[in-house]
Amino acid sequence: EAAVTQSPRNKVTVTGGNVTLSCRQTNSHNYMYWYRQDTGHGLRLIHYSYGAGNLQIGDVPDGYKATRTTQEDFFLLLELASPSQTSLYFCASSDAGTSAETLYFGSGTRLTVL
Amino acid sequence: GDQVEQSPSALSLHEGTGSALRCNFTTTMRAVQWFQQNSRGSLINLFYLASGTKENGRLKSTFNSKESYSTLHIRDAQLEDSGTYFCAAEAAGKLTFGDGTVLTVKP
Repeated sequence: EAAVTQSPRNKVTVTGGNVTLSCRQTNSHNYMYWYRQDTGHGLRLIHYSYGAGNLQIGDVPDGYKATRTTQEDFFLLLELASPSQTSLYFCASSDAGTSAETLYFGSGTRLTVL
Repeated sequence: GDQVEQSPSALSLHEGTGSALRCNFTTTMRAVQWFQQNSRGSLINLFYLASGTKENGRLKSTFNSKESYSTLHIRDAQLEDSGTYFCAAEAAGKLTFGDGTVLTVKP
């Protein structure tokens, strides 16, 4: 079973604050994703990556940066957090491009921006 | 999402009954996945389909890429099936999620 670990589980910051959400997967998946989940919108893709050093823009990238430092690690950065970024954030990984492309999710990070 | 239209938005079932959830796609999708989000918020893989039908216990899913839809059938619903069900469709290496179906199973 694929393992995707997110940290922290919960985070509270103030408007203008600097936040980094971390994600690590231990199954050598090539693709990693950051989603946000809000009531009425389902999951929306922020950024994704298909390997170390690669970054692709998702559907709702404004206000977010991301960095894929290694095969295992994918970070989401909010450099000037705003209340509109209060949300539940999920990281996921998959072996896209292979026959085993199922997406595996972490447990989520709940971010509150005051 | 705009490309993935999921219905119904909410569904209530009595234990032992069944129903179908549906996702319609506005563009050609290469594959579809179905997930359940449980009461703790965890997203659990149910199915990955590039075509055809898969079955797992009381769940069965079909993906018709030509007609741009996928269905998830639940039979003999149990209380633990309650949660939000999402489909996610893949095109150009990116997954787009539907807005989910909130399923409530009642005794």
